[in-house]
Amino acid sequence: DTAVSQTPKYLVTQMGNDKSIKCEQNLGHDTMYWYKQDSKKFLKIMFSYNNKELIINETVPNRFSPKSPDKAHLNLHINSLELGDSAVYFCASSQEQAGHYNSPLHFGNGTRLTVT
Amino acid sequence: AQKITQTQPGMFVQEKEAVTLDCTYDTSDQSYGLFWYKQPSSGEMIFLIYQGSYDEQNATEGRYSLNFQKARKSANLVISASQLGDSAMYFCAMREALLTQGGSEKLVFGKGTKLTVNP
Repeated sequence: DTAVSQTPKYLVTQMGNDKSIKCEQNLGHDTMYWYKQDSKKFLKIMFSYNNKELIINETVPNRFSPKSPDKAHLNLHINSLELGDSAVYFCASSQEQAGHYNSPLHFGNGTRLTVT
Repeated sequence: AQKITQTQPGMFVQEKEAVTLDCTYDTSDQSYGLFWYKQPSSGEMIFLIYQGSYDEQNATEGRYSLNFQKARKSANLVISASQLGDSAMYFCAMREALLTQGGSEKLVFGKGTKLTVNP
């Protein structure tokens, strides 16, 4: 009963290629996120979607394009991969409620992307 | 802007002893939440404990407790009776109150503390 699942777990590819990471949550949450964890373990938000609508878009190169076909899915497509894109990408979800801030994020197990 | 500071890049503790992992935060909001996550070497992010800014009591979850000092803007994680399986990265994180329905308040993370439990 995986709550937030993302595939693939590992992704090794060459510079210039295009790749996608898929994410699905079965928690019924209305908000989903993509976070990037760099080699120093720092976690930084990339995008947030609420009910399929883009809410947060941090300063991420436009080679990264999230897509949310429905509120249970948030995929990440990356064009023209660069060496610096190598990182672990985490999908997460939470149930948001106006005026509240106590909803923890539930994370997927991460996708380790290696660009050679 | 939100900011989370974890000043201890690495900590060592003897098995069965208690350990405190430091976290200070910076926000001008009155309403916010503080979270701790554990990331073992296998890589997954595990939610441990939550403290709300208006909570009068320190949060506890099993062997985890949060030493919340609002005036000092600190939210230290205390792990009692350390176990070998507690060896992991620990992240402190904060989010501010969501203003409108249909929005999203991002969870901002500190740089983490690597805890090693020695037998």
